[in-house]
Amino acid sequence: QVTLRESGPALVKPTQTLTLTCTFSGFSLTTPGMCVIWIRQPPGKALEWLARIDWDDDRYYNASLQTRLTVSKDTSKNQVVLTMTDMDPADTATYYCARSTSGFREIDYWGQGTLVTVSS
Amino acid sequence: DVVMTQSPLSLSVTLGQPASISCSSSQRLVYSDGDTYLHWFQQRPGQSPRRLIYKVSNRDSGVPDRFSGSGSGTDFTLIISRVEAEDVGVYYCMQGTHWPGTFGQGTKVEIK
Repeated sequence: QVTLRESGPALVKPTQTLTLTCTFSGFSLTTPGMCVIWIRQPPGKALEWLARIDWDDDRYYNASLQTRLTVSKDTSKNQVVLTMTDMDPADTATYYCARSTSGFREIDYWGQGTLVTVSS
Repeated sequence: DVVMTQSPLSLSVTLGQPASISCSSSQRLVYSDGDTYLHWFQQRPGQSPRRLIYKVSNRDSGVPDRFSGSGSGTDFTLIISRVEAEDVGVYYCMQGTHWPGTFGQGTKVEIK
């Protein structure tokens, strides 16, 4: 079955770089149309798309955060990595990775999420 | 970005009664392939979102048939025909037609 799991630090300091890893199973990111997306949710707030990486290694970013985000994949390890630079307390959120088919259009499975707190 | 607007933002429902959530988009959600990538997610307290409905009206596997979706163009609706206690949570519509995908603000459903 399809599973995704986020991992990374629970606490980062302002201005530091956050690195999150999404480890998945049950599908291959080399399958045409497959995509992994990063989404975050600040406490008590709605969901926000961050970035996506496609099966063919195309990468797309939310324009408002584009200068701070990098997404990459390691298909041999079934992992997708998100880095976000210059972290700010406003970036405190639960970060999710999710799978989508048909490109980014059909998110179906989500990881359990990882809460990242930005504080000195 | 496409703006998704849900209403109401909060809903208090008696067990066994219906609930309806509306979602409107700032742009039409029909993609060039003819499909409309409007989906509904349920987020129970402390859990990650779970997809209930995909492409407007298709129920995901294991989703009770009391959940149904409808709509077209820019206006969509999720209906819970008879609310049960396990339906408590926040419901989000999401569009996947235009990049980046965007979510509605969420509708919190509680039991009266």
